[in-house]
Amino acid sequence: EAGVAQSPRYKIIEKRQSVAFWCNPISGHATLYWYQQILGQGPKLLIQFQNNGVVDDSQLPKDRFSAERLKGVDSTLKIQPAKLEDSAVYLCASSQGTAASGNTIYFGEGSWLTVV
Amino acid sequence: GDSVTQMEGPVTLSEEAFLTINCTYTATGYPSLFWYVQYPGEGLQLLLKATKADDKGSNKGFEATYRKETTSFHLEKGSVQVSDSAVYFCARDSWGKLQFGAGTQVVVTP
Repeated sequence: EAGVAQSPRYKIIEKRQSVAFWCNPISGHATLYWYQQILGQGPKLLIQFQNNGVVDDSQLPKDRFSAERLKGVDSTLKIQPAKLEDSAVYLCASSQGTAASGNTIYFGEGSWLTVV
Repeated sequence: GDSVTQMEGPVTLSEEAFLTINCTYTATGYPSLFWYVQYPGEGLQLLLKATKADDKGSNKGFEATYRKETTSFHLEKGSVQVSDSAVYFCARDSWGKLQFGAGTQVVVTP
C-alpha cells in the first residue's frame, strides 16, 4: 500500500516569497491533515479536511496560509507571503476516520521549508 | 485546554538498557492515546496506541499502559538497541485530531 506522498521534500525561499506544498493521501482516506513542526517541537495542527470540506482551520494563520482539497483527494498548502518564522517541516497526514475512534493517522515524510 | 507533557531529552542510554519516557495528559473524558516515533530523516510512524483506560499498547518491544488514575501513558522498553535512536512523541486525541507533546530524543550508544 502506498503511503502519504508529499512534495517537494525541501524548499528554500526568501521572506515575502510564496511557496506551495502538495499532498496525496493514502487511497480511500477521507480525512486529511496538515501539521506544522518547528524544529525541537511537536507537530501542531494547521487544518483538517473531511473529504473536501474543512473540519477545523482554527490554527491556520489565514492572513498568509491557505489550503484546499478540491476533489476530496489531493491537497495543497500555500504560504504567501512567507515569514522567517514559517521555517518548519510541513507534514501531511491521512486516515480513514479520526483519532477520536483510535484510527491510525498516517504521516508523509514532510516538506522541509527554510525561509531566509 | 487539553495538553500533553512528556519528559525532556535527550535521553542517552547504552545498548540493552531499560528505557522509560514519561507522558502525562490533561483531558476531560478518556481520549485515545498514541506514541509516534520519528527516525532521522523520516516521517512520523505510529508505534503503539491505546483507546481506553487500562489498555496496554505494544509493538517492537515497546509498551505503554493507559492509566486514567494518573492520566499517564509512559513508554517503556526493556532492552534498547542502537536502532531505537529516534525522537518519540506522545499524542492524544483532541476532538478527532492528534495533539502532540514536544518530543523526547533518545540516543542509544553501543
